[in-house]
Amino acid sequence: QVQLQESGPGLVKPSETLSLTCTVSGYSISSGYYWGWIRQPPGKGLEWIGTMHQSGNTYYNPSLKSRITTSVDTSKNQFSLRLTSVTAADTAVYYCVRESGGNSHFDYWGRGTLVTVSS
Amino acid sequence: QSALTQPASVSGSPGQSITISCSGTSSDVGNYQYVSWYQQHPGKAPKLMIYDVSNRPSGVSIRFSGSKSGNTASLTISGLQAEDEADYYCNSYTSSSTYVFGTGTKVTVL
Repeated sequence: QVQLQESGPGLVKPSETLSLTCTVSGYSISSGYYWGWIRQPPGKGLEWIGTMHQSGNTYYNPSLKSRITTSVDTSKNQFSLRLTSVTAADTAVYYCVRESGGNSHFDYWGRGTLVTVSS
Repeated sequence: QSALTQPASVSGSPGQSITISCSGTSSDVGNYQYVSWYQQHPGKAPKLMIYDVSNRPSGVSIRFSGSKSGNTASLTISGLQAEDEADYYCNSYTSSSTYVFGTGTKVTVL
């Protein structure tokens, strides 16, 4: 069974960089699929952040693209997200996901991790 | 990219059927068969319920069905049950090689 688990600081100061890692178990990232991030501000809806492939292909939300960096570490079976210059608007539950079906849907989700941006 | 439009809330009595709409444009819902639906209970991660407009993943009840006409996709829940009370989000692939979610619909079982 594929499982995803987010990890990273729960509190980030304004203007600093948010860094999260997703550890995948039950499937080898190097075997394929795209992997990504989705976030949900408290009490609000879902927002797609971006997806990445171990080959280096990436697709990002245009509204966040200038602040996003992603990476894949196949040796650790992990992928990561860095979001720079954060503000209170970046406070959200961040989910890591697996994209399946080729541009289709997100079939596996992590439990999510709350990141609060505050001084 | 603008969020897909969903009704804020839909309600129904146990046993009834309800339909949630998801309105997009010719750049997303209208141009691709890549529409999916997610169910989210409070404090939980979303769960995939429908993919590619009308396909159900293994383990999802046959009471959930999806369809699409033009720029609008729909999720129907038949035989509404108390456990179906949750938030539902649609999602579509777009012509910009991105994804966009719907605004979300709260389903209440009366």
